[in-house]
Amino acid sequence: TQLLEQSPQFLSIQEGENLTVYCNSSSVFSSLQWYRQEPGEGPVLLVTVVTGGEVKKLKRLTFQFGDARKDSSLHITAAQTGDTGLYLCAGGKAAGNKLTFGGGTRVLVKP
Amino acid sequence: DTAVSQTPKYLVTQMGNDKSIKCEQNLGHDTMYWYKQDSKKFLKIMFSYNNKELIINETVPNRFSPKSPDKAHLNLHINSLELGDSAVYFCASSPGAGAPDTQYFGPGTRLTVL
Repeated sequence: TQLLEQSPQFLSIQEGENLTVYCNSSSVFSSLQWYRQEPGEGPVLLVTVVTGGEVKKLKRLTFQFGDARKDSSLHITAAQTGDTGLYLCAGGKAAGNKLTFGGGTRVLVKP
Repeated sequence: DTAVSQTPKYLVTQMGNDKSIKCEQNLGHDTMYWYKQDSKKFLKIMFSYNNKELIINETVPNRFSPKSPDKAHLNLHINSLELGDSAVYFCASSPGAGAPDTQYFGPGTRLTVL
C-alpha cells in the first residue's frame, strides 16, 4: 500500500499548456518534497514545503502544501519541452530523514 | 565533479550470483541511503546510514547487505541474486542535519538478473 498517491500517472500536453500534478495521502507529513527525474538519472530536488497552506514558486512551477499537510500539488504554467520528466513527491516525518515517495507522474511536453 | 557517484552504471548477471554496487559522495554529508526503483518507477528506501551507523533498515531480504567503510562510502552487496532483484538501485546522500533534509541522488545502477 502506497502512503502517497500521485495523479495522474501520465500526462501528455502541448508546449504552452498548463498542467497540475497531485500528491495525496491519508497520513500527515512534516514536510513534502518534489523531485524531478530524467531518464537515466537520479531524482533532483525541486522544492521542499513544510508549513500547511504554504505556496512556493520556482519560475513557472508553483507548489502548494495542503492545510492539513496530507496533500500537495505541483502546477506548471506554459509548459516547455524541458519540463518533460518523471515528477515524484516525497513525504518526510519530523523524526529522521526517511522519505516516502509517491508513485510518480510522467509528464511529456510535446513541441 | 560528480557529487554522488555509483559503479557500475549497468550490471547484467545470472540468477544465483553475488554482486556488489559501490557508492561514493564527495559532499561531506553524514547520511547515505540505498533506494530501489522498480519497473513502475516506484522508489523505495532500503537502507540508511549516518556516520557509518545503520539507522534505517526497511523490510529487505537479508541477501542484501550494506557496508559503510567510512561516511563517504556506502556499498551494497547482494547474495544469491533473484529475478525480482532486477531494478535500478540509487544511492543518495544528505547533510543529515535533521528533517527535512535534501537528498542528493546518484545516477543509478541498472541491475538485470537473467
